[in-house]
Amino acid sequence: QQQVKQSPQSLIVQKGGISIINCAYENTAFDYFPWYQQFPGKGPALLIAIRPDVSEKKEGRFTISFNKSAKQFSLHIMDSQPGDSATYFCAALLSWGSNYKLTFGKGTLLTVNP
Amino acid sequence: DSGVTQTPKHLITATGQRVTLRCSPRSGDLSVYWYQQSLDQGLQFLIQYYNGEERAKGNILERFSAQQFPDLHSELNLSSLELGDSALYFCASSVAGRVSGANVLTFGAGSRLTVL
Repeated sequence: QQQVKQSPQSLIVQKGGISIINCAYENTAFDYFPWYQQFPGKGPALLIAIRPDVSEKKEGRFTISFNKSAKQFSLHIMDSQPGDSATYFCAALLSWGSNYKLTFGKGTLLTVNP
Repeated sequence: DSGVTQTPKHLITATGQRVTLRCSPRSGDLSVYWYQQSLDQGLQFLIQYYNGEERAKGNILERFSAQQFPDLHSELNLSSLELGDSALYFCASSVAGRVSGANVLTFGAGSRLTVL
């Protein structure tokens, strides 16, 4: 059962444009939502994260928008640059007691054309 | 460089064989996590070790096993390999034993396994 659905699978944006990647989740008990960025030949790296009690978090050109009622969250990359070309993964963390489960979306390949 | 070191970077082997992937965590990190990344399944959590002990288990096949040594490096052993085991295998590390907002994962560059 895929608990985090990510779309689109791939995205092409012109330099300077806005890139938007969406994720939807099913389990309302998720308590932390990180986004990871992965460049070719590298491992995923934490980009930005949000908790469900916050509707938006911004770090530089990267913004997470969180809609708790719709069980959706999205990554917005403003003024997209060719150097942003990478695969982006959303994830959702479920914590209970000393246990946890981190579930990843299947990824979005972003290409920013110069 | 993330500080998490994985070897080998690439590995080509035949069906039925056994391979060992190695991971050295970032200095100071006690937890090691293994993930499998394939095009159709995305990032799948396999197993986690914390300070030498198994801490959490995910979708790890019985043909796969792992361990963490006293110096905190970890090895993932894959045996009776099948074509479908071809994937990128990532190791990640963290300071504490449970993923949280304060205990983030740092990933290595991965080991690409090709089974022919």
